[in-house]
Amino acid sequence: SAVISQKPSRDICQRGTSLTIQCQVDSQVTMMFWYRQQPGQSLTLIATANQGSEATYESGFVIDKFPISRPNLTFSTLTVSNMSPEDSSIYLCSHVEGLYPETQYFGPGTRLLVL
Amino acid sequence: SQQGEEDPQALSIQEGENATMNCSYKTSINNLQWYRQNSGRGLVHLILIRSNEREKHSGRLRVTLDTSKKSSSLLITASRAADTASYFCATDSGTYKYIFGTGTRLKVLA
Repeated sequence: SAVISQKPSRDICQRGTSLTIQCQVDSQVTMMFWYRQQPGQSLTLIATANQGSEATYESGFVIDKFPISRPNLTFSTLTVSNMSPEDSSIYLCSHVEGLYPETQYFGPGTRLLVL
Repeated sequence: SQQGEEDPQALSIQEGENATMNCSYKTSINNLQWYRQNSGRGLVHLILIRSNEREKHSGRLRVTLDTSKKSSSLLITASRAADTASYFCATDSGTYKYIFGTGTRLKVLA
């Protein structure tokens, strides 16, 4: 499977600031996704990152808070804007590959703590 | 919430014993996948089972799927301390939007 890397692996940020998380895949993939995992919780899909067009957001998530870029088939960024302590989570990117049914693979995650 | 439920929430066993985790979901699915997560890191894909399959094996892992009951189970045989992790099921209804279960925290004692 394609290897996914994320940067940064972790960060501590002050409230009111923004952080951009990068996700790099070592081969071209069609679909990329961003998830949030709040402390002790399961994963929640934030949005689907679409190459060449605006991301598709899930209910409860908006572009102003989580702007996403997908400039090509191997790279995506997620920005967490105007952060508050409630944004402290692990943020994971993923992609799907293989013949249907595709398997979803995840990056190592970015652990964010907002003070 | 569409989120699946997993039970138990936490499981503690001795090394060498078998561990069984259950996942229930709410809507019809195309496939179900199981993942392992160590200490809040990224998720490792374990196994995928299609909706028309009833059982699948991979090494020490055995997954069953009962679509009539909307449930799946993951069995880890002869557990090892290295199996200590959180385990999640995730279902796909054909939209690529995977819905994750609440997870089971497994602790294997040496």
